[in-house]
Amino acid sequence: DSGVTQTPKHLITATGQRVTLRCSPRSGDLSVYWYQQSLDQGLQFLIQYYNGEERAKGNILERFSAQQFPDLHSELNLSSLELGDSALYFCASSLSGRSYNEQFFGPGTRLTVL
Amino acid sequence: TQLLEQSPQFLSIQEGENLTVYCNSSSVFSSLQWYRQEPGEGPVLLVTVVTGGEVKKLKRLTFQFGDARKDSSLHITAAQPGDTGLYLCAGGGSARQLTFGSGTQLTVLP
Repeated sequence: DSGVTQTPKHLITATGQRVTLRCSPRSGDLSVYWYQQSLDQGLQFLIQYYNGEERAKGNILERFSAQQFPDLHSELNLSSLELGDSALYFCASSLSGRSYNEQFFGPGTRLTVL
Repeated sequence: TQLLEQSPQFLSIQEGENLTVYCNSSSVFSSLQWYRQEPGEGPVLLVTVVTGGEVKKLKRLTFQFGDARKDSSLHITAAQPGDTGLYLCAGGGSARQLTFGSGTQLTVLP
């Protein structure tokens, strides 16, 4: 158990819909990362937050957005969903957000778009 | 854009055999991490290397960071079925986030 929690574990929805994925970081960690993992793309970095502020952006689509709240939990919002958005979405947390810090990954949310 | 290529993509071996997984890039990384991911779970950190030429050992696993900090290798001695999983390398560079390789899916058959 990494100490990072993600909900829901599974999500099935239809194209065009909007969903919200939730992540609670390990106690004491200030930085949260979101990743998308699909079979043909590997683990793709989406976005990072540090202490409530956006720190770095990766290959995140404009249809996707995220935020980190004062209690440090984070939400990833996916809208106008397409079939290609079906993937595992992981949240990770680290103490300070530096690239050499160990990232602790949650169990992931499996999103299926039908 | 920093890219990391891993090879081989898939590896299936018998218990007791040795293997090496490679992680290569044309970019220099300030640090290199190796993670292992099991089905249905998130990746778990195995090791972090930060110095060119650094070698770290974790029981039967040996990790090496290239002298130029552009590549890394993971060697497993006497593989066991419990070593089965997806091995991911991840580089830390000028960007604050990690760049992950595409992964090596290892299957160790009993």
